[in-house]
Amino acid sequence: GQQVMQIPQYQHVQEGEDFTTYCNSSTTLSNIQWYKQRPGGHPVFLIQLVKSGEVKKQKRLTFQFGEAKKNSSLHITATQTTDVGTYFCGLSNSGYALNFGKGTSLLVTP
Amino acid sequence: SQTIHQWPATLVQPVGSPLSLECTVEGTSNPNLYWYRQAAGRGLQLLFYSVGIGQISSEVPQNLSASRPQDRQFILSSKKLLLSDSGFYLCAWSGSSYNEQFFGPGTRLTVL
Repeated sequence: GQQVMQIPQYQHVQEGEDFTTYCNSSTTLSNIQWYKQRPGGHPVFLIQLVKSGEVKKQKRLTFQFGEAKKNSSLHITATQTTDVGTYFCGLSNSGYALNFGKGTSLLVTP
Repeated sequence: SQTIHQWPATLVQPVGSPLSLECTVEGTSNPNLYWYRQAAGRGLQLLFYSVGIGQISSEVPQNLSASRPQDRQFILSSKKLLLSDSGFYLCAWSGSSYNEQFFGPGTRLTVL
């Protein structure tokens, strides 16, 4: 079956530092989605990537889909305390269900 | 606009007791529906998904079951809870297989 690896598992940064999380799949993907879960909350959709090599930006967040469509990254520039939470990638190679990574928990200290 | 409801928000149940968690979606028709479980500090484990009334796909064999008696209602059940069933249960819906998923507020289940 499809293997999903998300690294790092945890990241602790000072406010203002950059942060990157990576998501790798053992199989080629049709699309990838990214979600953010605040502590005590539920996952909230951030973005979907579909095209090989695609790069999308949302303010300080940059999402990238690998050329081979087997990996993706989420980069946050100049983190803020509001960025605290767990970031999940959700992988789809076909069909209805997403296979989620274990997430990267980000802690930002002022 | 679409909304998704889950209840109860928290639940404490003894081992061996039954379970029924309900999820309803408003503002959309024929959604894909999903049940996930999240153990403390862990990732999202897909338990069941449904693409229509009475259609349930199980991802993980366990003592849980799911049913979809109505288009916008998804129920997660167990006849006898185990300690390992403790966790955060999340219901989600999507418009199609490649659309984003919208999660409900979740139910925190503690089995003692």
